[in-house]
Amino acid sequence: EAQVTQNPRYLITVTGKKLTVTCSQNMNHEYMSWYRQDPGLGLRQIYYSMNVEVTDKGDVPEGYKVSRKEKRNFPLILESPSPNQTSLYFCASSESQGSAFFGQGTRLTVV
Amino acid sequence: AQKVTQAQTEISVVEKEDVTLDCVYETRDTTYYLFWYKQPPSGELVFLIRRNSFDEQNEISGRYSWNFQKSTSSFNFTITASQVVDSAVYFCALIPPRTGANNLFFGTGTRLTVIP
Repeated sequence: EAQVTQNPRYLITVTGKKLTVTCSQNMNHEYMSWYRQDPGLGLRQIYYSMNVEVTDKGDVPEGYKVSRKEKRNFPLILESPSPNQTSLYFCASSESQGSAFFGQGTRLTVV
Repeated sequence: AQKVTQAQTEISVVEKEDVTLDCVYETRDTTYYLFWYKQPPSGELVFLIRRNSFDEQNEISGRYSWNFQKSTSSFNFTITASQVVDSAVYFCALIPPRTGANNLFFGTGTRLTVIP
């Protein structure tokens, strides 16, 4: 079954404690992306990747890092999380233009 | 620049009423893709429809229908005979040409509440 898998689904952490949210897709897609969703703001892009070792900033990259060492994985790294990074995060992937598959979402709370 | 506007922040309707969710977009591209997603209380994004800018035919899927009008840059979504299970946040989104998941532009969403 074609899918995008995020882990964990829920996470509560403390300020400053490094964390990684994993994203994996089994469709051999080239494009992958991370979005965060906040009330009244919709979904905003954090980082995206066009292929292995090719990443770039989206609209709200501050405080985040990503890597794309393999085609299937695109982890989101928060080196020093802060409360303003409390949000709902989505990973997305697609093979080409005009499509997008989303993961189930990760609810992150930073206290 | 691309922009998607969903002016309706929240809508409440009584069950069995029809409801239309508005979506207006801005783009300079002649080719693009438009989407609607449903986000139920559980949080996941459920794909509803994808529309190519060259295809202006309206689409109906059960109680759902979509009205795409290039002349007004709108892609409105109508639910007929609404049900409580339709309660969710609905997002309209646009993908420019030659891009995919790396370049989605979302509206801010419309929260629909269907009252039994």
